[in-house]
Amino acid sequence: GESVGLHLPTLSVQEGDNSIINCAYSNSASDYFIWYKQESGKGPQFIIDIRSNMDKRQGQRVTVLLNKTVKHLSLQIAATQPGDSAVYFCAEIYSWGKLQFGAGTQVVVTP
Amino acid sequence: NAGVTQTPKFRVLKTGQSMTLLCAQDMNHEYMYWYRQDPGMGLRLIHYSVGEGTTAKGEVPDGYNVSRLKKQNFLLGLESAAPSQTSVYFCASSIRGRNSNTEAFFGQGTRLTVV
Repeated sequence: GESVGLHLPTLSVQEGDNSIINCAYSNSASDYFIWYKQESGKGPQFIIDIRSNMDKRQGQRVTVLLNKTVKHLSLQIAATQPGDSAVYFCAEIYSWGKLQFGAGTQVVVTP
Repeated sequence: NAGVTQTPKFRVLKTGQSMTLLCAQDMNHEYMYWYRQDPGMGLRLIHYSVGEGTTAKGEVPDGYNVSRLKKQNFLLGLESAAPSQTSVYFCASSIRGRNSNTEAFFGQGTRLTVV
């Protein structure tokens, strides 16, 4: 039969506040770590990536932090806006191009 | 540019039927991927390709086959559909998966129901 779907963890954020989304990864050999945003009914969209030899990278309103010691990745969104409401996925690239996704987090922005 | 185009967008199959999902990209990307996404879950990698004529297994390859005869196309086949394959299927492509510029572009998805 069909498997039962799991509910995604939800992060509720007030508009204007900063958001922090966390992700744990398992593969120490990954070359790049990436964050994607998926809005309802659409395919994922690239947000930002970070190479495995870096620990921080900033983009427009977003910052990704990588802690290889504890295999932890986080995405910080500054001044969260209603348009930031979506599911956010972390992903990693290893084994010559294998792009594998981790668990997602539902972000809900409240007025 | 169309980007990544998936056909069909919707399909209902009977158990045991076969079908092929087509993914086409016009960005001259080397890498292409097929994922499935079940309700409330993340994307699971089915198969991927690092270039024309090459394919590799992902996390959940059983029950699926793929072909990359042309660089711009990546086909996903279901030989004998099962209800467990009811899902939304996403195709993606990227310039190169390992080195710089890791951005993958996704299609809009194919919603497949197997009854």
